[in-house]
Amino acid sequence: GAGVSQSPSNKVTEKGKDVELRCDPISGHTALYWYRQSLGQGLEFLIYFQGNSAPDKSGLPSDRFSAERTGGSVSTLTIQRTQQEDSAVYLCASSLVGGGYGYTFGSGTRLTVV
Amino acid sequence: GDSVTQMEGPVTLSEEAFLTINCTYTATGYPSLFWYVQYPGEGLQLLLKATKADDKGSNKGFEATYRKETTSFHLEKGSVQVSDSAVYFCALSEGGSYIPTFGRGTSLIVHP
Repeated sequence: GAGVSQSPSNKVTEKGKDVELRCDPISGHTALYWYRQSLGQGLEFLIYFQGNSAPDKSGLPSDRFSAERTGGSVSTLTIQRTQQEDSAVYLCASSLVGGGYGYTFGSGTRLTVV
Repeated sequence: GDSVTQMEGPVTLSEEAFLTINCTYTATGYPSLFWYVQYPGEGLQLLLKATKADDKGSNKGFEATYRKETTSFHLEKGSVQVSDSAVYFCALSEGGSYIPTFGRGTSLIVHP
């Protein structure tokens, strides 16, 4: 597509429920990133996919968080048993390999856990 | 590891004032450097970039020069507008890791 598309744009969920966040990157971008932006905070790296390589999961904060990328395109970030501290904006970005030309971000999913 | 340090905000200016947002970095190699802008309710947008020392990135009246000797990439604009009010993020990317590192962001508020 023309840009990085994320859905839903907003999600309110009850504590303890599972949520799935979707990211559709720019066609042809082999690299895909998930970041978390908490209120008043910077961007916290979560996970990185590059082509068919094993993802870099070093930023995932706990084993409640997981992500997959099917067919090298769409990615889903899953948060199990959500907690209030998971409330944040989850941003997805994609780029050509290496990222030297910059990263294109989606508008994010605002997750609120009540 | 790599890190990016930005001046804390908010930065509050009057329209047509001169803007500087400081950014310094720590990296093991020779990173590419970026400034991103985030308008309220939106994702980050690439504002400008520089890929090697002494390069100057520029866009929409903003500019930043890659200073290897001072490991800095300060963002400047000669005359800000109300529409420039946003959060600005400095970032770097090293060829080896490909995972960009972002600063904490600096909020800019421009009053008429």
